[in-house]
Amino acid sequence: QQQVKQSPQSLIVQKGGISIINCAYENTAFDYFPWYQQFPGKGPALLIAIRPDVSEKKEGRFTISFNKSAKQFSLHIMDSQPGDSATYFCAASGRTSGSRLTFGEGTQLTVNP
Amino acid sequence: EPEVTQTPSHQVTQMGQEVILRCVPISNHLYFYWYRQILGQKVEFLVSFYNNEISEKSEIFDDQFSVERPDGSNFTLKIRSTKLEDSAMYFCASSVGAGYGYTFGSGTRLTVV
Repeated sequence: QQQVKQSPQSLIVQKGGISIINCAYENTAFDYFPWYQQFPGKGPALLIAIRPDVSEKKEGRFTISFNKSAKQFSLHIMDSQPGDSATYFCAASGRTSGSRLTFGEGTQLTVNP
Repeated sequence: EPEVTQTPSHQVTQMGQEVILRCVPISNHLYFYWYRQILGQKVEFLVSFYNNEISEKSEIFDDQFSVERPDGSNFTLKIRSTKLEDSAMYFCASSVGAGYGYTFGSGTRLTVV
């Protein structure tokens, strides 16, 4: 019940295209859903996060869509750029499930120029 | 922007040896964590630390692991007798609140030979 499932495992997008990464969770106690961006040899860096009281959050080219009834959330990267090429992880945590972040399996995004 | 600092960036150790991984969390953060990432896999929770004690630990965090905050700034992870399967990237993180607003360090790559 603690798992977070992420898809796809890898994604190739042309420059200027939209990248979409999906995650699903089971634990209804989760109430914080961040997305992390990780470059090779670096730690995960927080990109954007959402709480379940809103269905969408946008920051620049990055948007999280959240569907509480389906227990799914997704990251949309608009106007994808080669510099966005990285591994993206969704994660979840909840007050009643402790302080740990449970990560998805990761998506390797490649944006071709 | 405040950073979580980890040292060393890379450590090679013989199987059976003890290693200590060091971290300096962000100064006004109250929660401290260790995560690990085996090459090509997802980030996994090891332990969280709050108010000078372990608040939560995963099944990975067995008796071979220990954490300590020896002074007001450092946070360490000790692996008592390393195994080959301990080879991974170890990330320290800190947060203001429990389970959200994490900042990760750049990691220590541990190689056990």
